[in-house]
Amino acid sequence: ETGVTQSPTHLIKTRGQQVTLRCSSQSGHNTVSWYQQALGQGPQFIFQYYREEENGRGNFPPRFSGLQFPNYSSELNVNALELDDSALYLCASSPANTEAFFGQGTRLTVV
Amino acid sequence: AQSVTQLGSHVSVSEGALVLLRCNYSSSVPPYLFWYVQYPNQGLQLLLKYTTGATLVKGINGFEAEFKKSETSFHLTKPSAHMSDAAEYFCAVSRANSGTYKYIFGTGTRLKVLA
Repeated sequence: ETGVTQSPTHLIKTRGQQVTLRCSSQSGHNTVSWYQQALGQGPQFIFQYYREEENGRGNFPPRFSGLQFPNYSSELNVNALELDDSALYLCASSPANTEAFFGQGTRLTVV
Repeated sequence: AQSVTQLGSHVSVSEGALVLLRCNYSSSVPPYLFWYVQYPNQGLQLLLKYTTGATLVKGINGFEAEFKKSETSFHLTKPSAHMSDAAEYFCAVSRANSGTYKYIFGTGTRLKVLA
């Protein structure tokens, strides 16, 4: 149990719709990162937030956006969903200068 | 740029046998290296990490890994496999001294343990 919780655990969306995924980070962790894990692949870095500011972004289009709130929880928003967006989305939180702790993920299916 | 290569997408071992999962990395800067395990329908759990210091690192559940700079490798081993070790294993690299860790993961190795 890492203390990082994600919601919802599963959801199904239609192509073209928008989705918001949520992450509650572990207490005291000021950094949140999001990763996309397609079936049979390793997680791919989407972006990271540090103290409410974006602190690095992977090779994902602008329709992937995020927020970090003052309590360090975070949201991942995806607009104009595509079939290839179907994946497990992982949130990871950490204090500075140490490894990340992952939540159990949100399984998104786009139909 | 950094990258990670995991040789063998599937590895099968008998219960009680040696587990060896291979990971090679590429990095133009000193790397931090990690092994994570993922059980079905779950997130990632840290097994062990190398940042600085001793190149042989010990992790949870009897796993260990050795950082070999000359071979750019960070292979994961366990002397005796247990049925509960069946899972997907991911090697990851992050930049050292970046302040916050942004992982680059390999494609994973699925470990099967045979009774």
